[in-house]
Amino acid sequence: SSELTQDPAVSVALGQTVRITCQGDSLRSYYASWYQQKPGQAPVLVIYGKNNRPSGIPDRFSGSSSGNTASLTITGAQAEDEADYYCNSRDSSGNHRRVFGGGTKLTVL
Amino acid sequence: QVQLVQSGAEVKKPGASVKVSCKASGYTFTGYYMHWVRQAPGQGLEWMGWINPNSGGTNYAQKFQGRVTMTRDTSISTAYMELSRLRSDDTAVYYCAREPIVKEVGMDVWGQGTTVTVSS
Repeated sequence: SSELTQDPAVSVALGQTVRITCQGDSLRSYYASWYQQKPGQAPVLVIYGKNNRPSGIPDRFSGSSSGNTASLTITGAQAEDEADYYCNSRDSSGNHRRVFGGGTKLTVL
Repeated sequence: QVQLVQSGAEVKKPGASVKVSCKASGYTFTGYYMHWVRQAPGQGLEWMGWINPNSGGTNYAQKFQGRVTMTRDTSISTAYMELSRLRSDDTAVYYCAREPIVKEVGMDVWGQGTTVTVSS
């Protein structure tokens, strides 16, 4: 089991907005980073920190956090956004270790 | 350009060890943690640990304590992950990924992955 909990699957209609959430106690103290992974490919960082996008990530991706929940929002989802999404943050041990959420499979309808 | 290039696929027998390499280029190797992450077939990402290439310090996930060793050779900008006493459930794709040491801003560059198959 993971210390970060994600819904296994979420779907969104093309062009609509979807929010993917990640819950865990450590998120009260640390930001999550978010990764997109398409089949057969390495993960790609899409959001880090409070709400920062690496160069090349479309601005339809945004992040937020409240209490023990971090969220990744895609505003105007595109077909190419269909992928698995993982959150990552420190675990609750206080030892600078990290943990991934179980992942959310996003389907764009 | 910044890249991480990993060693090739491995097939190992149960009980053996495997050592995967990750060669960095295009940036200052000692300025970034190197994380190791694995993904079993059809499963999610699993964080294994990191090494600080500057100091050699390591931090391993509790699950892998005693079985994993992360090292580096700064002269050739290469990080290594060795996993011992392999079991069939260690079959996975193993990734390296960098993150700046000065600030936790996520793993922004990943290797291409190394498939490790454990089978008798």
